Amino acid sequence: QKEVEQNSGPLSVPEGAIASLNCTYSDRGSQSFFWYRQYSGKSPELIMFIYSNGDKEDGRFTAQLNKASQYVSLLIRDSQPSDSATYLCAVNKAAGNKLTFGGGTRVLVKP
Amino acid sequence: EAGVTQSPTHLIKTRGQQATLRCSPISGHTSVYWYQQALGLGLQFLLWYDEGEERNRGNFPPRFSGRQFPNYSSELNVNALELEDSALYLCASSFLSSQETQYFGPGTRLLVL
Repeated sequence: QKEVEQNSGPLSVPEGAIASLNCTYSDRGSQSFFWYRQYSGKSPELIMFIYSNGDKEDGRFTAQLNKASQYVSLLIRDSQPSDSATYLCAVNKAAGNKLTFGGGTRVLVKP
Repeated sequence: EAGVTQSPTHLIKTRGQQATLRCSPISGHTSVYWYQQALGLGLQFLLWYDEGEERNRGNFPPRFSGRQFPNYSSELNVNALELEDSALYLCASSFLSSQETQYFGPGTRLLVL
């Protein structure tokens, strides 16, 4: 079992719709969770971080964390063609301070 | 505020050579991290430096090494290059060292021929 798992996609959504991305992690000691967006050939760009159970909203993005289920998700509302990218889920345990990344979900927003 | 910078943007080496990659963190950030993103393997943690010390290392052979300078910049050295070392090498920095958000630089694309 991989430490951080994501569906590789592609997740195809029409423009204006909601894109829902999921991520599961195996280590219950994980304490902080991040979503990065990566365009092809570019470096990851931070979208959101979440530390506590529940929802966290920032503009069109909402991150949801459920530590009991070891599950974190990202919702993108009013999806735009510019949202087409690979979305990386990353998890940080307290010790070692390294980010463990999932394989990423490729999102395609069609006009 | 300037972001994380890395140099060079591209690097071409031949098998057996050494490569040196450089990184300057965001001003005020003391921790620097190195990651490798090889095709098909995803982003993998390489090294973490904080206050000039190596704090953690990923599952990579000793020919991957680095250091952090007093101004918090860092360099990654890869000795005895192998073809499978071809990848995008990403540097990230964070303020303080524990649990803080890591911000990535543009990366150095290393090609080993």
